[in-house]
Amino acid sequence: DIQMTQSPSSVSASVGDRVTITCQASQGISSWLAWYQQKPGKAPTLLIYAASTLQSGVPSRFSGGGSGTDFTLTISSLQPEDFATYYCQQANSFPHSFGQGTKLEIK
Amino acid sequence: EVQLVESGGGLVQPGGSLRLSCAASGFTFSSYAMSWVRQAPGKGLEWFSAIISSADSTEYADSVKGRFTISRDNSKNTLYLQMNSLRAEDTAVYYCAKSPWGSGVQFFDYWGQGTLVTVSS
Repeated sequence: DIQMTQSPSSVSASVGDRVTITCQASQGISSWLAWYQQKPGKAPTLLIYAASTLQSGVPSRFSGGGSGTDFTLTISSLQPEDFATYYCQQANSFPHSFGQGTKLEIK
Repeated sequence: EVQLVESGGGLVQPGGSLRLSCAASGFTFSSYAMSWVRQAPGKGLEWFSAIISSADSTEYADSVKGRFTISRDNSKNTLYLQMNSLRAEDTAVYYCAKSPWGSGVQFFDYWGQGTLVTVSS
């Protein structure tokens, strides 16, 4: 099974900051990676799939990169609504696995 | 508008059974693979079961294999999860999630609102 490791587990930042979250797979997954945002008490929403493709309706300040085992999610200029928990997910093989999550908090 | 609405959650004793449903609307349900994902209180997301559009193939995580069964009725636009031999560690919010395609590996472009399953005596 493929293990997904995100870092950091939490990060504090201010509105307007640029933030990068990383996700590492225990083995190569090509570009089979997605990123989700989850706000408290809500279902996750898809932000990025295929490592770097922005889901329809997602603001362009979100971007994804990487391939193989190392991936990034970058938010170029944080907005108040971006404070949430972010998860990566590998879709290279079953069982699909998620990272443990990165909580983005207001500084 | 795509909508996924889960139901059937609740309190069940250890060893008991529960059946969850996920009613789909706003898209051609029979064309897309579906999954169940759960989230224990205060914890992260855990994928544990998937079914392709035709229902001919299913996948399970080891944590639920042999205890849970995923199924779908494309005539009713509904996804199901039969959960047997429930354990305390199955306590979680259960989400159904839609894949962007009909088979194979999955991302999840739409999610339901979730239904809480609590396993406790």
